[in-house]
Amino acid sequence: LAKTTQPISMDSYEGQEVNITCSHNNIATNDYITWYQQFPSQGPRFIIQGYKTKVTNEVASLFIPADRKSSTLSLPRVSLSDTAVYYCLVVDTGRRALTFGSGTRLQVQP
Amino acid sequence: DAGITQSPRHKVTETGTPVTLRCHQTENHRYMYWYRQDPGHGLRLIHYSYGVKDTDKGEVSDGYSVSRSKTEDFLLTLESATSSQTSVYFCAAGSGQGIPSYEQYFGPGTRLTVT
Repeated sequence: LAKTTQPISMDSYEGQEVNITCSHNNIATNDYITWYQQFPSQGPRFIIQGYKTKVTNEVASLFIPADRKSSTLSLPRVSLSDTAVYYCLVVDTGRRALTFGSGTRLQVQP
Repeated sequence: DAGITQSPRHKVTETGTPVTLRCHQTENHRYMYWYRQDPGHGLRLIHYSYGVKDTDKGEVSDGYSVSRSKTEDFLLTLESATSSQTSVYFCAAGSGQGIPSYEQYFGPGTRLTVT
């Protein structure tokens, strides 16, 4: 399973763009990169996934360089409600299993 | 919660007793999963199922067993509960098809305390 490394915590202010970078040096050819968000006392919620280059949805953008050894989740204009833990995961496509690391705790200040 | 329910939501039990947690889904997802989450840690996969009666172990499967006799239900059993199994348990389900194919929907969690 590909191991991921991401910052333990980040701070931001409302209205700013937040970029969280994750490294996954031993990602396998068929693996996908997925990001989840978790609020206290709730289960994680899917944000976005990608394989390479850039993916954008209504919530976030995901940037993946050509070597795929890292990825960056970009949250545009964060609000207080974006305060949560964000997990970067590499999906083991053979098992459809998710391996969660410790995540990045994002604190958004007013 | 995309139709994922867990029962019970809270349970306190004694060391050595068997415990069964239930996960129920209404969306006909093929894949179902059980994770545990401990303070300061991310989720760790216990077992998962890729179809009725088809299950496989995750990274922390010792002391746990699972069963899936129907598409909608996935049971997690702690054969003889220990204090180290005190945790929050999350169930998840996903279809593994389409785009995004790896999205999993999580239940609200079960907080289990073993005394």
